[in-house]
Amino acid sequence: AQSVAQPEDQVNVAEGNPLTVKCTYSVSGNPYLFWYVQYPNRGLQFLLKYITGDNLVKGSYGFEAEFNKSQTSFHLKKPSALVSDSALYFCAVRDEGDYKLSFGAGTTVTVRA
Amino acid sequence: EAGVAQSPRYKIIEKRQSVAFWCNPISGHATLYWYQQILGQGPKLLIQFQNNGVVDDSQLPKDRFSAERLKGVDSTLKIQPAKLEDSAVYLCASSFPAGNEQFFGPGTRLTVL
Repeated sequence: AQSVAQPEDQVNVAEGNPLTVKCTYSVSGNPYLFWYVQYPNRGLQFLLKYITGDNLVKGSYGFEAEFNKSQTSFHLKKPSALVSDSALYFCAVRDEGDYKLSFGAGTTVTVRA
Repeated sequence: EAGVAQSPRYKIIEKRQSVAFWCNPISGHATLYWYQQILGQGPKLLIQFQNNGVVDDSQLPKDRFSAERLKGVDSTLKIQPAKLEDSAVYLCASSFPAGNEQFFGPGTRLTVL
């Protein structure tokens, strides 16, 4: 079975400060990891993914994520947060041999001006 | 390119009534997904199609939910009869190939009274 945990329901940061959204996962095989963002009344929007290769993945809007196999983590980061980054962020995982994607419960990010 | 289209955006019905949702995926995307997103939770996969065939419907409540993708393009998700606990946002997504990042529509917010 595969699963994702996002240990923080909410993350609050000041504009210009670094932003980190945590994610840990569990799969039986090799993980394929994804981050999505959801704005109010909108569908989920793809940010970035890790399939294989470099552990540091760069994505849209200045976001990046670091894959750590030993800690089974895939934390989302942004060096300097913007007020417009305020949204709901979802981490998702699937096993290499399975197309089914499992999502975490989400983390609400609030960036204050 | 055009994104995933869904309609209606909002629907309010009374319990025991029926409702249908429509999805048009991104052109050329053979894989189509229906998710249920309950408030405060991550999306949960209901059914996955590859062209017009069902790949995974293990979490679809088949006594009341049905879905079809007759020509391998558009899809319809139906609930009959609806229950109060079906109140949620229903998201449609598509991908190419299967297992790659998914692109989501804006969702249909269903309220069952």
